[in-house]
Amino acid sequence: QITLKESGPALVKPTQTLTLTCTFSGFSLTTSEVAVAWLRQAPGKSLEWLSLLYGDGDKRYRPPLKTRLTVSKDTSKNQVVLTMTNLDPMDTATYFCTHYATKNDIGFDIWGQGTKVTVSS
Amino acid sequence: QSVLTQPPSASGTPGQRVTISCSGSSSNIGSRFVYWFQKLPETAPKLLIYRNNQRPSGVPDRFSGSKSGTSASLAISGLRSEDEAHYYCTTWDDKLSDWVFGGGTKLTVL
Repeated sequence: QITLKESGPALVKPTQTLTLTCTFSGFSLTTSEVAVAWLRQAPGKSLEWLSLLYGDGDKRYRPPLKTRLTVSKDTSKNQVVLTMTNLDPMDTATYFCTHYATKNDIGFDIWGQGTKVTVSS
Repeated sequence: QSVLTQPPSASGTPGQRVTISCSGSSSNIGSRFVYWFQKLPETAPKLLIYRNNQRPSGVPDRFSGSKSGTSASLAISGLRSEDEAHYYCTTWDDKLSDWVFGGGTKLTVL
């Protein structure tokens, strides 16, 4: 059974850096067939994709946010870490990590519960 | 302004069939698979449809997806009260190199 859980600070000040951790189980992030994605949903808004980290190390970022995002993995801990720099109140959102399956183009199939982040001074 | 266009709301009575549309362009829906998610308040999105019309295991066959040209649709038949939720479509956009989403449709079961 695949599970994912996000963790990180609930409150961050503007201009600070946000670090979120996705701890997963039930799969191995070691091949190009599997990835972990990060998405977010601001209050009252739609979903927004942020990044994809494939098991072979390939990374993809949402172009408008590319300069602010970094994603990495710790295979031994089954964790994926997302960092976002220069936080702004517009970054207030619930952040989700998901399992992403390239096989059969299943996509974002299993989601974590999400973690709420508020950016405020 | 979302890249994919969905109606902001839809409604139906129990047992009815409702459809939710998702309109895009040649650089996204026209050339890529469409996915649909269901989102209940304070819960994670749930994948309902992948590859335009495929259901993950566990998703009732009341939910079906279709695609034609640069538009896609999600149909829900035999509407139930627990279907009341927000529904989002998404796909990859080749021009933007980005996963793009619709603005979401709030489904109300009357």
